[in-house]
Amino acid sequence: KQEVTQIPAALSVPEGENLVLNCSFTDSAIYNLQWFRQDPGKGLTSLLLIQSSQREQTSGRLNASLDKSSGRSTLYIAASQPGDSATYLCAVWSPKGGKLIFGQGTELSVKP
Amino acid sequence: KAGVTQTPRYLIKTRGQQVTLSCSPISGHRSVSWYQQTPGQGLQFLFEYFSETQRNKGNFPGRFSGRQFSNSRSEMNVSTLELGDSALYLCASSVDRTETDTQYFGPGTRLTVL
Repeated sequence: KQEVTQIPAALSVPEGENLVLNCSFTDSAIYNLQWFRQDPGKGLTSLLLIQSSQREQTSGRLNASLDKSSGRSTLYIAASQPGDSATYLCAVWSPKGGKLIFGQGTELSVKP
Repeated sequence: KAGVTQTPRYLIKTRGQQVTLSCSPISGHRSVSWYQQTPGQGLQFLFEYFSETQRNKGNFPGRFSGRQFSNSRSEMNVSTLELGDSALYLCASSVDRTETDTQYFGPGTRLTVL
């Protein structure tokens, strides 16, 4: 059974800091991994999608890496800003069951 | 391009009632999935529809059902509501379910059961 874990559960950093969010999954048989952002009481915003054959994806200040063999992904946020404060979720698409399986998220707070 | 829309945004119901939630996917998207989000369980998959057919189903009781129309719009229904059904219900759409297809989520419907 695929399980997704995100560490840490919460993170508070000063503005301008570079930071890394971690995601691990137990079954390497995935089609892709997606990182999402969720603001309080809102829906999910897709940030990056990494296909199983890819190693990383970049969008602006965000860089996500994928190591399928070790079951790990990281989301790197450069030069953090208060507007980056949100909960970040990673999800893997598992071919067994055809659904996204989510981690519990990392709640990020960037202080001015 | 308009995003995924969900209606209503907020609902308050009492135990035993039933409720219908609606989701309009992004134009051209044929896959619609539903998820339940609660503080304790996080995001859990309910079901997925593609071209009016249920393609996948999560581990929820039969009180939870859904359907998809020919224009890809989808509805989910919860009958005999229980207090534990209080949650944020999220709908996601994608073109299909290949490894390159990004899932786009709507703003959600906040259901409160009293």
